[in-house]
Amino acid sequence: DQQVKQNSPSLSVQEGRISILNCDYTNSMFDYFLWYKKYPAEGPTFLISISSIKDKNEDGRFTVFLNKSAKHLSLHIVPSQPGDSAVYFCAASAHGDYKLSFGAGTTVTVRA
Amino acid sequence: SQTIHQWPATLVQPVGSPLSLECTVEGTSNPNLYWYRQAAGRGLQLLFYSVGIGQISSEVPQNLSASRPQDRQFILSSKKLLLSDSGFYLCAWSSQTGGGEKLFFGSGTQLSVL
Repeated sequence: DQQVKQNSPSLSVQEGRISILNCDYTNSMFDYFLWYKKYPAEGPTFLISISSIKDKNEDGRFTVFLNKSAKHLSLHIVPSQPGDSAVYFCAASAHGDYKLSFGAGTTVTVRA
Repeated sequence: SQTIHQWPATLVQPVGSPLSLECTVEGTSNPNLYWYRQAAGRGLQLLFYSVGIGQISSEVPQNLSASRPQDRQFILSSKKLLLSDSGFYLCAWSSQTGGGEKLFFGSGTQLSVL
């Protein structure tokens, strides 16, 4: 049962514009959320995270927003750059749980 | 600093052959260790995780097994590979905090079973 869902398998955006990636979750016990970036044939690398006590976390061009009531989070990339073209995974965990549950990923393509 | 090594990078194996993928972590002690698989066009599926030597938790019943013979070594095995075992296998580690886990991944192994 998929507890973390990324319903958009792909996103195409022009360089310099904003990329918005969405993620929904069903498990109300999740209290920590992460975004990972993955290039082909490489392992995912950590991008940004947010705990459930916050509703926004910002790191440079990347901002994650959390809406607990809607069980929804989003990742904003501003401005988008060609190097941002990759697969982005949303992940979540519950306190006391050693595991991360991942979404299916969204492939972002940044057009020049 | 901590590093994670995973090998081989690519592997082509015939159906029915055995499998052994190895992962080691350096620069940390008593890490949590994980094996994930990314099937073609799909997300990351947790296969096994371990919180200590000899302690293995299986998430999905399947044709694979895992072992942790040493603190920083995690091995994924199969006695007889199936076509459905093809995929991109990822080893990962996290610190033993019991919450707010941030996983650090290896570079992955692309397994093709023919």
